Amino acid sequence: QVQLQASGPGLVKPSQTLSLTCTVSGDSISSGSFYWTWIRQLPGKGLEWIGYISYSGSTSYNPSLKSRVAISVDTSKNQLSLKLSSVTAADTAVYYCARENGSGSYYLDYWGQGTLITVSS
Amino acid sequence: SSELTQDPAVSVALGQTVTITCQGDILRRYYAGWYQQKPGQAPVLVIYGKGNRPSGIPDRFSGSSSRDTTSLTIIGAQAEDEADYYCNSRDITGYHVVFGGGTKLTVL
Repeated sequence: QVQLQASGPGLVKPSQTLSLTCTVSGDSISSGSFYWTWIRQLPGKGLEWIGYISYSGSTSYNPSLKSRVAISVDTSKNQLSLKLSSVTAADTAVYYCARENGSGSYYLDYWGQGTLITVSS
Repeated sequence: SSELTQDPAVSVALGQTVTITCQGDILRRYYAGWYQQKPGQAPVLVIYGKGNRPSGIPDRFSGSSSRDTTSLTIIGAQAEDEADYYCNSRDITGYHVVFGGGTKLTVL
């Protein structure tokens, strides 16, 4: 059973860089046709895709966030990371990591529990 | 266009059948995934591909698609099915992911 566990600081000051980590267990982050993904949900709003890093190491980002986002993996720790720079209050959200399965069709089959990030001074 | 459109809210009487739809031109190219999200919880995949259910998802959940519309149907809705439901797909580039705005299902 694949499990994802996101972790982060909880509170980030405006203009700083948000850094989140997602630890994957039950599968190797470098195996298969998977896209390791970050998604966020602003308070009371819907789901917003942030970006992914593929099994081959290529990345893709939401055009609206692309200038501020970087996603990477540490295969030795089986971890996925997200960095979002120059944060503002508008970045306050629950951040989820998830695995997108690209075999046959595309779907997010495993999700982490989410971590709430508040941007405030 | 890669937008996915969902009705904001749908209601169903307990035990009855309800269909939630997701519409977008991109669905002519890609199958959608459907996710159930209950308050304070992470989304859970309920339907993927051509109407496939992950293990553990009750068989009262089914999916279908036609042209630019994909549908999630719950036959015999239960109180525990009350949740927000989201569809998603890859976009026209094939490299980005898009979500529908979500449908809040109320079981009366």
